[in-house]
Amino acid sequence: GQQVMQIPQYQHVQEGEDFTTYCNSSTTLSNIQWYKQRPGGHPVFLIQLVKSGEVKKQKRLTFQFGEAKKNSSLHITATQTTDVGTYFCAALNNAGNMLTFGGGTRLMVKP
Amino acid sequence: EADIYQTPRYLVIGTGKKITLECSQTMGHDKMYWYQQDPGMELHLIHYSYGVNSTEKGDLSSESTVSRIRTEHFPLTLESARPSHTSQYLCASRPAGLSDTQYFGPGTRLTVL
Repeated sequence: GQQVMQIPQYQHVQEGEDFTTYCNSSTTLSNIQWYKQRPGGHPVFLIQLVKSGEVKKQKRLTFQFGEAKKNSSLHITATQTTDVGTYFCAALNNAGNMLTFGGGTRLMVKP
Repeated sequence: EADIYQTPRYLVIGTGKKITLECSQTMGHDKMYWYQQDPGMELHLIHYSYGVNSTEKGDLSSESTVSRIRTEHFPLTLESARPSHTSQYLCASRPAGLSDTQYFGPGTRLTVL
């Protein structure tokens, strides 16, 4: 079945440093979604990317979808303690009825 | 705000007990899912349903069972709880469209002693 690999698994940063998580697939994706899960919480939808090479921004967060639609990244500029959590990418399977989640990147921000 | 609910939020129970985790959504979504997740770790799909009377096992083998008698309700049952079942259980739902987001419930934290 479809697999979505996410790296790194963990990332510790000093507050103010940048952070990037990467999502890779061996197959072409129809779209990719990103979710954030705060400690003790549940995953919450952040954004969806559909087009090849698409870039979207949400304040300090920048999301990219690769030209070949096989990879994606989430970049956070100048991290804050409120950014702490696990970030998951997710891609629809070929049938379009189920999301396959990456393993997540757990971000820890040291004040 | 997503209208998907899970009860109980926390449950501590002894080994061998039968438990049912409730999940309900008021959005009319056909697709519903159960995930098992240890804190901060991967989401493991254990059950899913594409509509009433449709249930399938997910990628992670689980001793739990589910039912989907009504669109809005997708309960998960463990006939005999064991300490290895200790985890967080997240319920989720999605509408039918290809580009639609998935909504998660707040989760049930289960501890089996």
